[in-house]
Amino acid sequence: GAVVSQHPSWVICKSGTSVKIECRSLDFQATTMFWYRQFPKQSLMLMATSNEGSKATYEQGVEKDKFLINHASLTLSTLTVTSAHPEDSSFYICSAPSGLARAGELFFGEGSRLTVL
Amino acid sequence: KQEVTQIPAALSVPEGENLVLNCSFTDSAIYNLQWFRQDPGKGLTSLLLIQSSQREQTSGRLNASLDKSSGRSTLYIAASQPGDSATYLCAVNYGGSQGNLIFGKGTKLSVKP
Repeated sequence: GAVVSQHPSWVICKSGTSVKIECRSLDFQATTMFWYRQFPKQSLMLMATSNEGSKATYEQGVEKDKFLINHASLTLSTLTVTSAHPEDSSFYICSAPSGLARAGELFFGEGSRLTVL
Repeated sequence: KQEVTQIPAALSVPEGENLVLNCSFTDSAIYNLQWFRQDPGKGLTSLLLIQSSQREQTSGRLNASLDKSSGRSTLYIAASQPGDSATYLCAVNYGGSQGNLIFGKGTKLSVKP
């Protein structure tokens, strides 16, 4: 299947700092990527849709000024958590559809665990 | 409200057993349904994707079925192995945005050698 890579896999930061997470499609191009968040013992929840060359689309309740998304190329989307607070600690994961795969199939990155002290 | 429920939340079986994981969804007007595997602290691995027009999909020892009328999908794992131990997630797409999946909370499977 298609490969999606995330970096870093885990990060610890101080409250008030910003953290950038990268999501790359390694063997295919992705005009669209999706960012999710997963709190402990909870389901994954879609945060936003990253669109190459245009603004991201955010789900209801997700602050666009806090979670900055940039999709500057067909293989890279970044999520920046600005002025992070302990309540932002979570598992962030991205996904992308591959044109090589079955229609509608999504491929996920390895996830990035953020801990804000 | 569109919800996805997975039962049981956890399951422990001896190696070699055949087992079934259940997924139910409240709105039957789905576009597709996808089963994933998630290892602790890791990302999701796509296992099977079933389109709304399909009734089942098979891959190796895995078989997923879909019954839209009853709002259910099952993942059948044959001859389970310790390496199958992971959390299995069911996710439903209702169309619109491809990434707008409604996930269940998963079934944590432990296969004992």
